[in-house]
Amino acid sequence: DTGVSQNPRHKITKRGQNVTFRCDPISEHNRLYWYRQTLGQGPEFLTYFQNEAQLEKSRLLSDRFSAERPKGSFSTLEIQRTEQGDSAMYLCASSPTGGSTEAFFGQGTRLTVV
Amino acid sequence: KNEVEQSPQNLTAQEGEFITINCSYSVGISALHWLQQHPGGGIVSLFMLSSGKKKHGRLIATINIQEKHSSLHITASHPRDSAVYICAVLNYGGSQGNLIFGKGTKLSVKP
Repeated sequence: DTGVSQNPRHKITKRGQNVTFRCDPISEHNRLYWYRQTLGQGPEFLTYFQNEAQLEKSRLLSDRFSAERPKGSFSTLEIQRTEQGDSAMYLCASSPTGGSTEAFFGQGTRLTVV
Repeated sequence: KNEVEQSPQNLTAQEGEFITINCSYSVGISALHWLQQHPGGGIVSLFMLSSGKKKHGRLIATINIQEKHSSLHITASHPRDSAVYICAVLNYGGSQGNLIFGKGTKLSVKP
């Protein structure tokens, strides 16, 4: 499968715990994006990588959130000290460079904080 | 006011009907995406367009840059078309990855 892969698909955690999600983009896609989608809303941009460089972070990304893409391939999104308001679908997308702006999305990780 | 507005929010149709979903935006864009999201959450890109019209099977997407408006049409709708359809724009001059999404249109096609 050469699509964008996200793990886990579902995560239930207790408030205050740390969670980490992983995204494997389509190989050779230099750009990787994280979005968050709450119930009944469209996705909202969180952060964006060009290779291993994190080029932009949304104000939605509080200091409890950190994202990395250490080798310019897969990315991780960590949420520390989770809160109930963090419950959402976390979506990852990737796109190639070279002027193309088409993004390919993963299946998402649904986080439930109890 | 949201930068990307979709209408209607919810749409119920009978199988076979012609469906139109509208998207209006208020920012300059370099591209507009139509996305499909099924209940499991995964998003599939249907179209990316910056001008004119694109067609794929029973799906047609149009965009009018001057009017800042796009439509997604589904001909001969089928229950398997039931999903949330999301319009997203790539803000011209903004960051390269920062898509701005509408809230989606929930489509339900009844047999």
